[in-house]
Amino acid sequence: GAVVSQHPSWVICKSGTSVKIECRSLDFQATTMFWYRQFPKQSLMLMATSNEGSKATYEQGVEKDKFLINHASLTLSTLTVTSAHPEDSSFYICSAPARRDRAEQYFGPGTRLTVT
Amino acid sequence: QKEVEQNSGPLSVPEGAIASLNCTYSDRGSQSFFWYRQYSGKSPELIMSIYSNGDKEDGRFTAQLNKASQYVSLLIRDSQPSDSATYLCAVNDGGGTSYGKLTFGQGTILTVHP
Repeated sequence: GAVVSQHPSWVICKSGTSVKIECRSLDFQATTMFWYRQFPKQSLMLMATSNEGSKATYEQGVEKDKFLINHASLTLSTLTVTSAHPEDSSFYICSAPARRDRAEQYFGPGTRLTVT
Repeated sequence: QKEVEQNSGPLSVPEGAIASLNCTYSDRGSQSFFWYRQYSGKSPELIMSIYSNGDKEDGRFTAQLNKASQYVSLLIRDSQPSDSATYLCAVNDGGGTSYGKLTFGQGTILTVHP
């Protein structure tokens, strides 16, 4: 149980274009999902908390107009990187808790974004 | 600012040995602690969670928690080359046992050599 999927697993896009990444909980409902970014040889950095039916909460320093998050259902959250630039190239990973009363979070397989 | 500290390593142990990974955290109110394993190029995989002081064992893995010392550790017995990975310590910011934001340490690179 507690399976999280992401799509696509990797994407290459041109500078200035937008890219959408999907995060799905496959065998549980997730009212909250978390989006992380990881640069090479660094730890995970939390970008934002995605809440079903309401606005996302962004961490300090993360541009909410650049990283658009939509959590339209209990099993799907999307992250859209708008007007992507090479410095946005990174490994984007989502996670979700499988139960409201437990803190364990399960990660999706990640999406590797390369902006040329 | 809440912090989680780990020795980045690399930690190298021979096959069959015990690998010991350590983590300290700054927020005394934290109550939920996790160890994730991350292979190169992959996302983190949850291997252990611990909520109470003491030891928790699961197969070859033992997590140890000492809230008074604000210290969490992970022991891997009978280490195998397949255990070679980065191990991330994470602390839940929720302040309880329900979910909240996770704060990660920088990770410890473990290498198990044959």
